[in-house]
Amino acid sequence: AAGVIQSPRHLIKEKRETATLKCYPIPRHDTVYWYQQGPGQDPQFLISFYEKMQSDKGSIPDRFSAQQFSDYHSELNMSSLELGDSALYFCASGTSGARSYEQYFGPGTRLTVT
Amino acid sequence: AQSVAQPEDQVNVAEGNPLTVKCTYSVSGNPYLFWYVQYPNRGLQFLLKYITGDNLVKGSYGFEAEFNKSQTSFHLKKPSALVSDSALYFCAVRDNNFNKFYFGSGTKLNVKP
Repeated sequence: AAGVIQSPRHLIKEKRETATLKCYPIPRHDTVYWYQQGPGQDPQFLISFYEKMQSDKGSIPDRFSAQQFSDYHSELNMSSLELGDSALYFCASGTSGARSYEQYFGPGTRLTVT
Repeated sequence: AQSVAQPEDQVNVAEGNPLTVKCTYSVSGNPYLFWYVQYPNRGLQFLLKYITGDNLVKGSYGFEAEFNKSQTSFHLKKPSALVSDSALYFCAVRDNNFNKFYFGSGTKLNVKP
C-alpha cells in the first residue's frame, strides 16, 4: 500500500540558510500534519492542513511557514535556520472521514543545521 | 487539555520475559490512544490503537495494550520479548477537536539476550 512520502530524507544546511521540506500524503488523504522531533525528544506538533487550508497551529516558529497545495502535498518552509532547528521532521496524513482518528507517518526528513 | 505521561525513561528486560511499557493519559471526552515504535534513525511506526470496544487491544509484532479507564492507563505489553523489540516506544493521545496527536516523552526498551 502507498505510504506517506517525504523528501528529502536528509538535509544539511548552514545557519541562516533556508530549507524546504516536502510531504506527499497517502492518495485520497486530505489532511496533513507536521511534527518536529528534536534529539532525544518526543514529536511536537507544528501545524496541520485540511483541504489546503490551515486547520491548526502548534509550536511552529514564526520563521517557518507551510502550505498545502491543490494536489494535497505540503511543503514546510524554514528560513533563518538556527542550530536548534536540527531535528527529524515528520509529516503525517489522514482523512476527515469516519477514520479521522488515524494518522499515517512518513519516514521523516532529518535536518542538520551547522 | 490532552496529555500523555510515560513514567519510565527506560525499561530493561531479558529476552523471552514479558514486558510492560507504561502510559497514563489525561483527556477530555473519550480517549483515542495509540502506541508507536521508533527504531534508530527511522520514522514512527504504528503499533496499535484504542478507540472503543474491548479494553485489550492487539497490535503488530505480538504487542497488546490494555485500556484501563479507572486508572487512566494504556500500558503496552508483550508476553515474550525479543531482542529485535529494542526501540523507542511512544504513547500518544489524539486531540478530539483537531485530530493532532500529543506524544509522551518516550520509553527506551532494551531487550537483552
